[in-house]
Amino acid sequence: KQEVTQIPAALSVPEGENLVLNCSFTDSAIYNLQWFRQDPGKGLTSLLLIQSSQREQTSGRLNASLDKSSGRSTLYIAASQPGDSATYLCAAYNQAGTALIFGKGTTLSVSS
Amino acid sequence: DTEVTQTPKHLVMGMTNKKSLKCEQHMGHRAMYWYKQKAKKPPELMFVYSYEKLSINESVPSRFSPECPNSSLLNLHLHALQPEDSALYLCASSQVPTGPGELFFGEGSRLTVL
Repeated sequence: KQEVTQIPAALSVPEGENLVLNCSFTDSAIYNLQWFRQDPGKGLTSLLLIQSSQREQTSGRLNASLDKSSGRSTLYIAASQPGDSATYLCAAYNQAGTALIFGKGTTLSVSS
Repeated sequence: DTEVTQTPKHLVMGMTNKKSLKCEQHMGHRAMYWYKQKAKKPPELMFVYSYEKLSINESVPSRFSPECPNSSLLNLHLHALQPEDSALYLCASSQVPTGPGELFFGEGSRLTVL
């Protein structure tokens, strides 16, 4: 059964810092891994999708990596801004490849 | 257009009411999902529809009844709910029913059961 864990649960940084959010998963035979952002009381916004054959994906100040052998993914945020404050969720497909299983998220607070 | 639209945004209902949540996408996706999210918890899968057929039911109580009238629409019918069913209900869609399709979520319907 696929299980997804995110560390840390919460993170507070001053504006401008580079930071790394960590995600680990138990079943390395994943189809892909997806990172989301969720603002309080809102839906999920897809940030990056890494397919199982890929090692990383980049979008603007965001870079996500995938290491299937170690069961880990990281989300790197460069030059953080107050607008980056949100909860970041990592999700990997279940073993059947039919639905995403979510980690509990990392709540990020960036102060100006 | 990568939009999934959910209505209503907020819903308050009594335990004896019958109501429905609606979800619509026009991306040509053939898989649609319902997730439930309690406060400060990750989303939990409820149902998956693949090519308009129910493919996964994660042991959800029968007071929740999904329906997929066509490839663009997904409904969640609610009846005799309990206060503990209060949550954010999220709809999502993806291009293919199995990986590696990217999931796109709506803004959710915030349900309060009195």
